[in-house]
Amino acid sequence: DAKTTQPPSMDCAEGRAANLPCNHSTISGNEYVYWYRQIHSQGPQYIIHGLKNNETNEMASLIITEDRKSSTLILPHATLRDTAVYYCIVRVIGEAGNMLTFGGGTRLMVKP
Amino acid sequence: DGGITQSPKYLFRKEGQNVTLSCEQNLNHDAMYWYRQDPGQGLRLIYYSQIVNDFQKGDIAEGYSVSREKKESFPLTVTSAQKNPTAFYLCASTGGFYTEAFFGQGTRLTVV
Repeated sequence: DAKTTQPPSMDCAEGRAANLPCNHSTISGNEYVYWYRQIHSQGPQYIIHGLKNNETNEMASLIITEDRKSSTLILPHATLRDTAVYYCIVRVIGEAGNMLTFGGGTRLMVKP
Repeated sequence: DGGITQSPKYLFRKEGQNVTLSCEQNLNHDAMYWYRQDPGQGLRLIYYSQIVNDFQKGDIAEGYSVSREKKESFPLTVTSAQKNPTAFYLCASTGGFYTEAFFGQGTRLTVV
């Protein structure tokens, strides 16, 4: 399974862009990158996913490097409600099935 | 509305007792998962099931058991063999490949 590495914590000023990095240097060609976030004591919430092209939705943008070894989740205008733990996941899909393996995540603190 | 429901939200049990956590989904998803989360930590996979009547161990299956008799239901039993069962338990489900996972709101189990 490809593993991900994220910084344990980051701060961001309210209204500014939050850029959360993720390293997945052992990712395979058919593995997608997914991002989730978890607000304290709740179930994780899906944000976005991508294979190799940059993706954007109403919540965030996902930038994946050309070699696919790293990615960045961008929250364009962070609010206090974006304070959460953000998980970068490489989705393993193959003979073992349809698995989701989480790492430690990045605790994002958005400050006024 | 479609979703995934875990019950109860809080559960207290005496040491040495088995306890079963419920997870039900009405999303018609084939795959279901159980995760454990300890304070300040990420999610660790306990068991997962790709189809009815089939399931596989995750990274920390010891002391846990599951069943998948119906597509909608994937209950988790925390047995007395689990050395440190107090934790936050999350259930998830996924549809086809390359789709996002949906999570329940979790069950916080406390063993005294």
